[in-house]
Order: sequence, then C-alpha cells, then structure tokens
Amino acid sequence: RKEVEQDPGPFNVPEGATVAFNCTYSNSASQSFFWYRQDCRKEPKLLMSVYSSGNEDGRFTAQLNRASQYISLLIRDSKLSDSATYLCVVNDADSNYQLIWGAGTKLIIKP
Amino acid sequence: ETGVTQSPTHLIKTRGQQVTLRCSSQSGHNTVSWYQQALGQGPQFIFQYYREEENGRGNFPPRFSGLQFPNYSSELNVNALELDDSALYLCASSLAGFSYNSPLHFGNGTRLTVT
Repeated sequence: RKEVEQDPGPFNVPEGATVAFNCTYSNSASQSFFWYRQDCRKEPKLLMSVYSSGNEDGRFTAQLNRASQYISLLIRDSKLSDSATYLCVVNDADSNYQLIWGAGTKLIIKP
Repeated sequence: ETGVTQSPTHLIKTRGQQVTLRCSSQSGHNTVSWYQQALGQGPQFIFQYYREEENGRGNFPPRFSGLQFPNYSSELNVNALELDDSALYLCASSLAGFSYNSPLHFGNGTRLTVT
C-alpha cells in the first residue's frame, strides 16, 4: 500500500462549481499535512497547511480526519486559474518526519 | 528576497555519464532538500542538507550524492547515469532542518534527460 494515495483524476469541473478531493495516508503517527499546487512543468508551491481543526483560506478549505487517516481539499467557486495538479504531502513519523508526497490529483476547470 | 534558483534548467546526458546540478537557497534559509519527480508522479525525497551535513536520505542509491556549502547553496551529483534517472530534479529550501511544519520553497527545477 502506498504511503500517501490520491485519485489521479483528472477532475473536469465547470467554472464556478465546487470540487473536493481526498488524500489518504498510511502512518497514523504522521503529524503534519500540506496541500501543494503544481502547474504543468512548474515547481510545486505551497497552497496551505492542514490543521487538526480544519482551516480555510479564501475559497479553499482543508480538513483532516485522523480516525480515517485522510485529508481533504475543497475549492469553492472554482476559477479557470485553479486548473493544476494538487499534491498531498504528509510527514513520515518513522523517517525523521521526512515529507512523503502523493502523486497528485489533476484538476481541470472548464469555462 | 531572493528565491530558490537552480541550474541548469535542462540537461541531456548519456547513460553512464555523471551530472552535477546546482541550487541556491532562498535568502535566510539554511536547509536544502533535493527531490526527483518522474512524469506523472509526486516528488520523491532524495536527501536533505542542514548546515553542510546530510541529515536525512530517501531511498536512493549511493551514486546520488550531494554537498552543501557555507552559503547554504547545494549540489546534487549523480554518477553512472541510468535511463530511469530521467526526471525533473527539484531543489527546495526551508528553515531549520526537519522542522516538520516548515514550508518548502522550490526552485524551477532541472529537467534531466538520459539517453
């Protein structure tokens, strides 16, 4: 089983819609969780950290479910510029908290 | 504030050759991590340098080696290149070693093609 799993997509979503995707992780001792965004042929950029109580940044909401070992990202009122690959990142408590990356979920926002 | 810069941006090498990739960390950052990202995959952690010492390594063979310099810039060296080494190599800088809440700031990457 992969340590961090994501649905690769693509998710094809009309502009203005709400979209959500999850990421599951295997190590229950993991402490830190992040969502990064990566545009085609570019470097990843931090979108947001994920906190235990859930957190929101504008149109983006991140949630953590420790019992089921997944994190989620919800995007409201999606924009064309939201089209990208969204990478889930979890620290590995068994390897000195190295970051383990999912393969990403591709999101395509259509006009 | 100067961001993370990597060089070269693209590189083509032949199987068996050696390559050196370079990275300048963001000003004020003392930690550099290197990642390999194959097409359609997430970044895979290669190793991390903190205060010129390697302080963490992923599942990569010894032919992947690195250095960090007193100004916190870093090099990734790969010997005996294999076709599967073709990937985007990303350098990321951050503060304070494996402070696990420290966000990573990535460079634009070096796209290596091994033929």
